[in-house]
Amino acid sequence: RKEVEQDPGPFNVPEGATVAFNCTYSNSASQSFFWYRQDCRKEPKLLMSVYSSGNEDGRFTAQLNRASQYISLLIRDSKLSDSATYLCVVMAGGYNKLIFGAGTRLAVHP
Amino acid sequence: EAEVAQSPRYKITEKSQAVAFWCDPISGHATLYWYRQILGQGPELLVQFQDESVVDDSQLPKDRFSAERLKGVDSTLKIQPAELGDSAMYLCASSTTSGGSTDTQYFGPGTRLTVL
Repeated sequence: RKEVEQDPGPFNVPEGATVAFNCTYSNSASQSFFWYRQDCRKEPKLLMSVYSSGNEDGRFTAQLNRASQYISLLIRDSKLSDSATYLCVVMAGGYNKLIFGAGTRLAVHP
Repeated sequence: EAEVAQSPRYKITEKSQAVAFWCDPISGHATLYWYRQILGQGPELLVQFQDESVVDDSQLPKDRFSAERLKGVDSTLKIQPAELGDSAMYLCASSTTSGGSTDTQYFGPGTRLTVL
């Protein structure tokens, strides 16, 4: 079983749609959680951290359920520029190692 | 805005040849990471440095891969000999202090390696 699992997609949605990505992780000792965005052939960039209380940044909302070891990302009012791969990331271990999921690809069309 | 620099951006080599990648982290960042990202997968940590010391190389294939950060600033990752399965994007990242939970890792643009 992979340490971080995501639905690979692709998710093909029209502009303005709401889309949700889910992620599960296996290490219950994981300490911190993130969503990174990766454009085609580019480096990953931090989108947002994920907190137990849930957090929102504009059109993006992230949620964490430690009991279920489940992380989610909700994107409202999708834009063409949201097209990218979204990587679920978990931090664990003595040196705060980042463990990446394989990513979920999102394609927003006009 | 300060960035992580990597070179070369692209490298094509034949199997059994040696290749080397270079990374210059953001100034002042003590922690440096090398990741490998195979197409369709997420990045996987190969090695983590704290200043000039290796703190995690558990996923580094040590029979053919080596990494160094001699002065605790820039770093080199070497593969010798390269194999077909090494074709991937090699990403370098850096963070401020000890890789703590509040330290964001900033990634460089990567080196895309193709082994023929």
